[in-house]
Amino acid sequence: AQTIHQWPVAEIKAVGSPLSLGCTIKGKSSPNLYWYWQATGGTLQQLFYSITVGQVESVVQLNLSASRPKDDQFILSTEKLLLSHSGFYLCAWSSSLGGREQYFGPGTRLTVL
Amino acid sequence: SQWGEENLQALSIQEGEDVTMNCSYKTYTTVVHWYRQDSGRGPALIILIRSNEREKRSGRLRATLDTSSQSSSLSITAAQCEDTAVYFCATDETGGADRLTFGKGTQLIIQP
Repeated sequence: AQTIHQWPVAEIKAVGSPLSLGCTIKGKSSPNLYWYWQATGGTLQQLFYSITVGQVESVVQLNLSASRPKDDQFILSTEKLLLSHSGFYLCAWSSSLGGREQYFGPGTRLTVL
Repeated sequence: SQWGEENLQALSIQEGEDVTMNCSYKTYTTVVHWYRQDSGRGPALIILIRSNEREKRSGRLRATLDTSSQSSSLSITAAQCEDTAVYFCATDETGGADRLTFGKGTQLIIQP
């Protein structure tokens, strides 16, 4: 069975500080990977997607970057946090064989002060 | 119904009642996803309905899709307290990866 893990569970950071969030998928070879952001009480906004190691496509610009250093790992980062970065960050995967379903991780709650 | 710039909608019903949530979408899609999200957790896919399906059922859930009006609905029969959650519809663009666009969501509260 596939499992998806996100770390950390929650972060409280200062404006202007750096950030790195991680996501790991186990039990699935070469998945498509996604990062989403969700404001409190809001909908989900897709930020990045990746179909293979080393390749990341940006969907929306939020002064964030993403990388895929390994087949099963997806990293979201920024060198300088803004207040507007606060929210819930979700990683998801889908099958590269075109199953269309996306499966979400438990999320990371980020508070920027 | 959800989409566009509307805020998260809220629906409150009594346990045992039926409820329908509507979703309209703006761009062509071949698939509509329905997710539920419990408080503080990631969304979970509950039904995926394709453009060649007018209706799909899963237990007490029923989804419909009308591609001509670009709308979908999710119905829950005999709602239970554990159905309390936020429900989202989402459409996707394909091209090697699925770029989901989510609606604004419906907060469903089931009163005991």
